Amino acid sequence: SQTIHQWPATLVQPVGSPLSLECTVEGTSNPNLYWYRQAAGRGLQLLFYSVGIGQISSEVPQNLSASRPQDRQFILSSKKLLLSDSGFYLCAWRVGGRGTEAFFGQGTRLTVV
Amino acid sequence: AQSVTQPDIHITVSEGASLELRCNYSYGATPYLFWYVQSPGQGLQLLLKYFSGDTLVQGIKGFEAEFKRSQSSFNLRKPSVHWSDAAEYFCAGEAAGNKLTFGGGTRVLVKP
Repeated sequence: SQTIHQWPATLVQPVGSPLSLECTVEGTSNPNLYWYRQAAGRGLQLLFYSVGIGQISSEVPQNLSASRPQDRQFILSSKKLLLSDSGFYLCAWRVGGRGTEAFFGQGTRLTVV
Repeated sequence: AQSVTQPDIHITVSEGASLELRCNYSYGATPYLFWYVQSPGQGLQLLLKYFSGDTLVQGIKGFEAEFKRSQSSFNLRKPSVHWSDAAEYFCAGEAAGNKLTFGGGTRVLVKP
């Protein structure tokens, strides 16, 4: 069966420090991968999505970047964190293209101090 | 821009009463539309989805949604709410290109 692993679950980082959040999917091939940020009152904001290795679509200009070095690995990064980067980050995957169900990881709670 | 909007941030409903959550979409063509639920401490779960065909869609947990093209809406309903329905509900839409976007969410509180 397919599973998604997202880590760490909780992270406290100082302003100006780098960030690396990793998401890995098991049990499937060539998934579409997504990074979302959930902030109170702002719903799920799409940050990046990828339809294949090395293919990244960025939705919101910001302090973050994403990479997909392997088929089932999606990484969210920052060189220097801002206070405004605090939030709940969710990774999701799906296969089969438009209209298919997305499956979400358990999320990472990031607090920038 | 292509998007979905949920006008209600919070809704409080009594247990046993009916529930309706609003979702409006803005796409050039009919998009795929979804409703997801995020229960406390749990991940997001798909309730139902719509693209074409019957405009009344049945989902899991007793939920249904109705697509109304004239109103650009895809509202979620449940005839009788249970305490376990307290959660945050998200409407999502997708046009072309695998870009799946979500609304702001509606938090549902259930009164005993």
